[in-house]
Amino acid sequence: GESVGLHLPTLSVQEGDNSIINCAYSNSASDYFIWYKQESGKGPQFIIDIRSNMDKRQGQRVTVLLNKTVKHLSLQIAATQPGDSAVYFCAERVYNNFNKFYFGSGTKLNVKP
Amino acid sequence: AAGVIQSPRHLIKEKRETATLKCYPIPRHDTVYWYQQGPGQDPQFLISFYEKMQSDKGSIPDRFSAQQFSDYHSELNMSSLELGDSALYFCASSERNRGRGNTIYFGEGSWLTVV
Repeated sequence: GESVGLHLPTLSVQEGDNSIINCAYSNSASDYFIWYKQESGKGPQFIIDIRSNMDKRQGQRVTVLLNKTVKHLSLQIAATQPGDSAVYFCAERVYNNFNKFYFGSGTKLNVKP
Repeated sequence: AAGVIQSPRHLIKEKRETATLKCYPIPRHDTVYWYQQGPGQDPQFLISFYEKMQSDKGSIPDRFSAQQFSDYHSELNMSSLELGDSALYFCASSERNRGRGNTIYFGEGSWLTVV
C-alpha cells in the first residue's frame, strides 16, 4: 500500500499557541489530501482538504499547506483551544478508476490550559 | 446535513459467534468503505464497494465478508469472532466521481467487544 506518515506522534501545546502537525506521503499520483480530527471513541471528522493543484488552503483557524516537491502536508491550527485536543490524521487519495484513500499514523494533540 | 449512519453502535459477542454491522451512506454517495480501528491504532482499511461491486480490498480477514445493496447500504459480516476482533469499526462513504470534491466522510463507528 501507499505510505502516509506523520513525523510526530504526540504534540503538546499551550492554549492560545499555534499548532503545526506534519504529514509525509509517498505517492506522486495522489491528487487530493484531507485532514481529519478524531476525538476519543468517535469517528474521524473532516477538517479541511486540499487538491494537488493548490499549495495552501485556509479554513476557520486552520490552514493546510501542501509541498508536492517534498511530498509534505501540514495542518496549522491557530490559537489552539482545549477543544482541539484530539488525534489528527492526514489522508491521501489516489484515483485509479476508483477512489483509494490511505491514512497515515495519527498525531495526538494535547492542549494545555 | 445527513451523515453516515452505522448500527449498532455497541455490540458484545462471545468468541466464535457471528456479528453483522450495518452502514447507511450519505445520500447520493455511491461508494462505501469499511475500516477497523483497534485501541490506540490508526484506521485500517478493510474493503470498499462501488455500485454494489467490490472496488478495493485491504486487510480484511477471510472470516469477514461484506456487501453493498441496491439502496447503497452496506453490511459487514464477521464470523468465528476472535478476541482480537474487538475494535471500533468505521464505515465511510464518498462519491466516485473524481472531478468533484468527493471527500470521504465517516460514521461514528460501531464498537465490537468480543469476550
